[in-house]
Amino acid sequence: GESVGLHLPTLSVQEGDNSIINCAYSNSASDYFIWYKQESGKGPQFIIDIRSNMDKRQGQRVTVLLNKTVKHLSLQIAATQPGDSAVYFCLPWGGGKLIFGQGTELSVKP
Amino acid sequence: EAEVAQSPRYKITEKSQAVAFWCDPISGHATLYWYRQILGQGPELLVQFQDESVVDDSQLPKDRFSAERLKGVDSTLKIQPAELGDSAMYLCASSLGAGTDIQYFGAGTRLSVL
Repeated sequence: GESVGLHLPTLSVQEGDNSIINCAYSNSASDYFIWYKQESGKGPQFIIDIRSNMDKRQGQRVTVLLNKTVKHLSLQIAATQPGDSAVYFCLPWGGGKLIFGQGTELSVKP
Repeated sequence: EAEVAQSPRYKITEKSQAVAFWCDPISGHATLYWYRQILGQGPELLVQFQDESVVDDSQLPKDRFSAERLKGVDSTLKIQPAELGDSAMYLCASSLGAGTDIQYFGAGTRLSVL
């Protein structure tokens, strides 16, 4: 069934610090989760995904953690850079179409 | 690196006029999507094609919007007549297949209706 990720709308971090973007979902049937990044004036860009049989997955400077018990994900960005400034969306999937919620806007302070 | 191409990048039109947007997906991608994104919100799916067939157009306002993908490659989204509330970013995406296959997005067409 369809599900949407719920985010805090904004997050501000200092350049060089680690960022943690949180996402809650409601549909316990969600078994696949995707993170997209959308920079201003551009289309969304795939970052990383994770399946429900995993609780952690690492990419380049990013780590996604999945806690199915409380239906929560987080995207961690190490050593945040100005180029990380964007809106981040988590998309839970359990069948049907992917639904973008409102996302979290990450601002990086110099 | 292969990209999804969209044109035009920007379009300004007056209400009641017709507008059309074009999308060329990544070569070999069978699934093509059109999304509308209102400022401050996430993209909303308007229509999904599998090859030349529509598989989901439940959110497409069919009284004024139409979409086609005649040869299963590039696609056109049309609005006629345009209304003030249609001002938004129109994004095209493509993927190899449907479901969980990664969607690759174009840069979008920013539409302003005056």
